[in-house]
Amino acid sequence: EPEVTQTPSHQVTQMGQEVILRCVPISNHLYFYWYRQILGQKVEFLVSFYNNEISEKSEIFDDQFSVERPDGSNFTLKIRSTKLEDSAMYFCASSEIRVPLAGGGEQFFGPGTRLTVL
Amino acid sequence: KQEVTQIPAALSVPEGENLVLNCSFTDSAIYNLQWFRQDPGKGLTSLLLIQSSQREQTSGRLNASLDKSSGRSTLYIAASQPGDSATYLCAVFSGGAGSYQLTFGKGTKLSVIP
Repeated sequence: EPEVTQTPSHQVTQMGQEVILRCVPISNHLYFYWYRQILGQKVEFLVSFYNNEISEKSEIFDDQFSVERPDGSNFTLKIRSTKLEDSAMYFCASSEIRVPLAGGGEQFFGPGTRLTVL
Repeated sequence: KQEVTQIPAALSVPEGENLVLNCSFTDSAIYNLQWFRQDPGKGLTSLLLIQSSQREQTSGRLNASLDKSSGRSTLYIAASQPGDSATYLCAVFSGGAGSYQLTFGKGTKLSVIP
């Protein structure tokens, strides 16, 4: 069964360093997402991406964050200068469609990358 | 702004019992609702997707209902098993152009005691 994969599973970094989290969405999906979950808190939407551009982003997704689809399979989240409060689990997700006007729109999530900022 | 609430926050039941998890959302203008399962330190597994036009969806021992007008959904688990122990998350997809997003509740942590 197709699945979303993410690497690395755990990333430790020093405050101020740049990190890149990688995701391989399900191959026939067109919409890609990043979410984060701070320990003990809700899963929060960060950004959605379609056709090589950002579709939506939340207030969390500030100038320190960027996303890219560098090739036909990978989808990345970059944090330019990490802060202690960026420590969280980051989930990538993908869906065939976004606005399910004709049904569908189910989002499938990867296993996550645990980011620890020291 | 859409808010999703899940009650109870935690639930402990003996094996074999049927149980109901509740989810409520503040803005009834949703496109769909998804129930997920999350095991400790793991990703989210999609369990059921209900479109806004549907009233319920079933998958095996799971049945999810949706009352969009009242902003409520329930997840019914029949004949619970220890392997059902996990956190169950409810999420609604809503918004408009430029603001579509999936909004999550905090989850219900289920423990099924053998």
